[in-house]
Amino acid sequence: KAGVTQTPRYLIKTRGQQVTLSCSPISGHRSVSWYQQTPGQGLQFLFEYFSETQRNKGNFPGRFSGRQFSNSRSEMNVSTLELGDSALYLCASSPWGEPGANVLTFGAGSRLTVL
Amino acid sequence: GNSVTQMEGPVTLSEEAFLTINCTYTATGYPSLFWYVQYPGEGLQLLLKATKADDKGSNKGFEATYRKETTSFHLEKGSVQVSDSAVYFCALSASSGNTPLVFGKGTRLSVIA
Repeated sequence: KAGVTQTPRYLIKTRGQQVTLSCSPISGHRSVSWYQQTPGQGLQFLFEYFSETQRNKGNFPGRFSGRQFSNSRSEMNVSTLELGDSALYLCASSPWGEPGANVLTFGAGSRLTVL
Repeated sequence: GNSVTQMEGPVTLSEEAFLTINCTYTATGYPSLFWYVQYPGEGLQLLLKATKADDKGSNKGFEATYRKETTSFHLEKGSVQVSDSAVYFCALSASSGNTPLVFGKGTRLSVIA
């Protein structure tokens, strides 16, 4: 069974641009969570979607947004990029809507570099 | 709020040495506890978990016991291999459910032959 697929794997942007990252969860998984990973802050929760609804949101500015489609695929968008947004963005899926109780399966991540 | 504290790394060990990575947590109620591992260039993978006090999670020679009295979930392995070199993350899930996993900052392990 295919795992969690994230695209693109690597990308380079400049300050002020915007970026969209995509995540395809494991087939049948309805919950998708996004995390930002940096060397200084570790893993920080961005948001979680279940059945196209955002159920939880982390402490990030409004420049960070996301959505989930009816097929459970998810995208996240970062507008007006800043140097500090350089990070590995990880997507994780779980079978149903309690990500804390269910095991998360992570994708390999999208590594964003902002110049 | 809920939080996880892991020992600072990096940890460097020789092959066949004993490994301990400390993890303590702060949470209300009875959280579930997890260890995830991240190999170079990859996402996180679940290594083991425990859902109630005194449970022992184990996988691939790694073990961790949920100790409520000390709020700890230390990861141990009796004999590490070079292939165990990775970053290890301790995490908790609040007992109330429907909340995101909270991760520690990770501990990098390097095993040398």
